[in-house]
Amino acid sequence: DAGITQSPRHKVTETGTPVTLRCHQTENHRYMYWYRQDPGHGLRLIHYSYGVKDTDKGEVSDGYSVSRSKTEDFLLTLESATSSQTSVYFCAISDPARGQLNEQFFGPGTRLTVL
Amino acid sequence: RKEVEQDPGPFNVPEGATVAFNCTYSNSASQSFFWYRQDCRKEPKLLMSVYSSGNEDGRFTAQLNRASQYISLLIRDSKLSDSATYLCVVRGFGNEKLTFGTGTRLTIIP
Repeated sequence: DAGITQSPRHKVTETGTPVTLRCHQTENHRYMYWYRQDPGHGLRLIHYSYGVKDTDKGEVSDGYSVSRSKTEDFLLTLESATSSQTSVYFCAISDPARGQLNEQFFGPGTRLTVL
Repeated sequence: RKEVEQDPGPFNVPEGATVAFNCTYSNSASQSFFWYRQDCRKEPKLLMSVYSSGNEDGRFTAQLNRASQYISLLIRDSKLSDSATYLCVVRGFGNEKLTFGTGTRLTIIP
């Protein structure tokens, strides 16, 4: 299995509080991604990174920010959590140097509940 | 219209049967295609890539029809361990972003 960890694995928080989720990889992959998964919507891309300090928005980026200060860590921050951000969050990694049909490897996920 | 559409199921299939899933995609410029498998409360994992010529991996066969913009997955001699949600995944040309279908849930019945 790819070396990807996410922390915390579960979190319950209150509306209006800041939350930071961490994704850590030991694979030295260039690309890192944050997705959320909700019933009826599948996996949706929030933000992604194509290198240290290089990030871009995905399709559901409102209310989220990210940072990548080193290759192995990609942080997702909810500045002021809302109940609509209750979801399962997955981090993923990939490396285009592996070829066009390269695979995205996923972390174990973080279950976030915003009350 | 969603970029990637799948029949959500559930498909309840007896052990040993053959089951097929289809998936359609809307962007004709899509470049790469995959099937991912996701077990309950787990992360998605790549099952197989889908090549233009079709490809087979053991009991699993994937087909791509670019003209009709659909992808299929066939599972033969289904096992209890095949019970999972199968995600159809598409990648556009020249980028690393994937678009996921909502998944098809499969339950194999003993």
